Amino acid sequence: GGIITQTPKFLIGQEGQKLTLKCQQNFNHDTMYWYRQDSGKGLRLIYYSITENDLQKGDLSEGYDASREKKSSFSLTVTSAQKNEMAVFLCASSTGQNTEVFFGKGTRLTVV
Amino acid sequence: GEQVEQLPSILRVQEGSSASINCSYEDSASNYFPWYKQEPGENPKLIIDIRSNMERKQIQELIVLLDKKAKRFSLHITDTQPGDSAMYFCAASEGTGYQNFYFGKGTSLTVIP
Repeated sequence: GGIITQTPKFLIGQEGQKLTLKCQQNFNHDTMYWYRQDSGKGLRLIYYSITENDLQKGDLSEGYDASREKKSSFSLTVTSAQKNEMAVFLCASSTGQNTEVFFGKGTRLTVV
Repeated sequence: GEQVEQLPSILRVQEGSSASINCSYEDSASNYFPWYKQEPGENPKLIIDIRSNMERKQIQELIVLLDKKAKRFSLHITDTQPGDSAMYFCAASEGTGYQNFYFGKGTSLTVIP
């Protein structure tokens, strides 16, 4: 089996700061995702990527950038951290063919 | 994009009884409906899924039903145990070419011993 590794596990940043979250997967999956999880709001898609160097915006992309540097890694940048975006950010991957999506354990972001 | 509504948001049941979670979707092109369980501090994990060519699927105590005409699908956990206490998410995906999932807002299930 494979694993999705997200770093860091906890991220504390200052309001207005640019922050980067990293994700690595060893499933050899084509598609990778970034979701934001807020209490009571479920999982909302920020960005996804169907292959290396591809980027697609999700419903929540404003205020974020993403980069698929290689097939195994997908990073997310919060361009200017705001206090109202304290949440858990989940990275995920799949083969992209109507099959299971595997999730990492998340990065919990706190903005002070 | 697709909208997935999930109810209830909070569910408390007695151990041994059944728990039901209902989801509805808007896009008739959606054809894959997974259910994820997330325990505190853990990542969501797939527990059961159903594709649009099926109406019912069962894995042990988990039953999913799909009504394509009504655009509704549901998860039923029979004979609940305290270990079933967790957050549950439904999702819908069109799954053509790339795969984009839309998740419900989640149901917090507590099984009372």
